[in-house]
Amino acid sequence: GAGVSQSPSNKVTEKGKDVELRCDPISGHTALYWYRQSLGQGLEFLIYFQGNSAPDKSGLPSDRFSAERTGGSVSTLTIQRTQQEDSAVYLCASSLAGGKVYGYTFGSGTRLTVV
Amino acid sequence: DAKTTQPPSMDCAEGRAANLPCNHSTISGNEYVYWYRQIHSQGPQYIIHGLKNNETNEMASLIITEDRKSSTLILPHATLRDTAVYYCIVRDGGTSYGKLTFGQGTILTVHP
Repeated sequence: GAGVSQSPSNKVTEKGKDVELRCDPISGHTALYWYRQSLGQGLEFLIYFQGNSAPDKSGLPSDRFSAERTGGSVSTLTIQRTQQEDSAVYLCASSLAGGKVYGYTFGSGTRLTVV
Repeated sequence: DAKTTQPPSMDCAEGRAANLPCNHSTISGNEYVYWYRQIHSQGPQYIIHGLKNNETNEMASLIITEDRKSSTLILPHATLRDTAVYYCIVRDGGTSYGKLTFGQGTILTVHP
């Protein structure tokens, strides 16, 4: 597609349940990033994939969070045993070669609400 | 990456130029200045970036001072749709590592 696609756009889940968030990056973009944005807050880096290199997981807030990227394309962010503080908009972005020339292209995000 | 300082909010009249400042006094020689914006309920959008020369594209102009310690994003004819949070980010352009660090940004409100 022409842009970064994220699904679902909205997700309401009960505390303690697991959730999976999906990101389809722009075709050909080798780099993929996950950020989250809590209500009224700035963007918080979570994880970064670049080609076949080991991902940078330094931003994941706890071991309940994990992400994978299959075949260098689609990525899934999984949150296990969700907590209310996990409620946020989860944003995915992709870019060519780290985004230093053309910048990142972000998706519209998945709004996660944990009740 | 160097830290940036932006005013928390600014107002601009529709049709006038919006000039958004950013201080990055600790910027190093290899670091670029990037601008993104985030319109309500959307993901951030890349606007422009530069190293030391002024840059212009279809969206905006970027003016970087000679000492590179500050810059200004200029929207030449602001419209109501330009109301958004504008982020100024400084990052190393010498590597392919992609993590961007977003600060609090400037909330620009364009009014009729």
